[in-house]
Amino acid sequence: QKEVEQDPGPLSVPEGAIVSLNCTYSNSAFQYFMWYRQYSRKGPELLMYTYSSGNKEDGRFTAQVDKSSKYISLFIRDSQPSDSATYLCAMTSQGGSEKLVFGKGTKLTVNP
Amino acid sequence: ETGVTQSPTHLIKTRGQQVTLRCSSQSGHNTVSWYQQALGQGPQFIFQYYREEENGRGNFPPRFSGLQFPNYSSELNVNALELDDSALYLCASSTRGAGANVLTFGAGSRLTVL
Repeated sequence: QKEVEQDPGPLSVPEGAIVSLNCTYSNSAFQYFMWYRQYSRKGPELLMYTYSSGNKEDGRFTAQVDKSSKYISLFIRDSQPSDSATYLCAMTSQGGSEKLVFGKGTKLTVNP
Repeated sequence: ETGVTQSPTHLIKTRGQQVTLRCSSQSGHNTVSWYQQALGQGPQFIFQYYREEENGRGNFPPRFSGLQFPNYSSELNVNALELDDSALYLCASSTRGAGANVLTFGAGSRLTVL
């Protein structure tokens, strides 16, 4: 079993839809959870960074962490064509660590 | 403020050859991490360099090696290339101990091994 599982999609939605992206993990030591966006031919860029369980909102993006279920989610409201990218979840056990464990990524296309 | 720059952007090698990839870290950052991203996969941690020394390594064989220079730039060297080494190699810089919150990735070097 991989440490982090993420459905690779692809996921295609109409503009304005609510998008839900998810990851599950097996390592209970993970405490810091991130979502990255990666456009084609670019490096990943950090979207959301959360610690432990709970919700975090930033504009149209909401990250949720449920440590009891080892499940994290990213919601995108009012999706835009510019949101079309691959979304990667990542996690680590130490806040100061740059050694992240990534999911496979979910390729999202938002159609105008 | 410049970001993380990597070179070359693309390269093609044959099995058994050696390759060197280069990374210039973001201004003010002193730590460099390297990741391998195979097609359709998430990035996998190779190793990290701080104060010119390796400081943490993922599950990669010794033929993957690196250097960090006094100006915090870095090189990734891969010897005896194998077909499975074909991937996007990402460099990420940060400030020691600041973690993923300030981790900045470059656009990567895409290596194809034939």
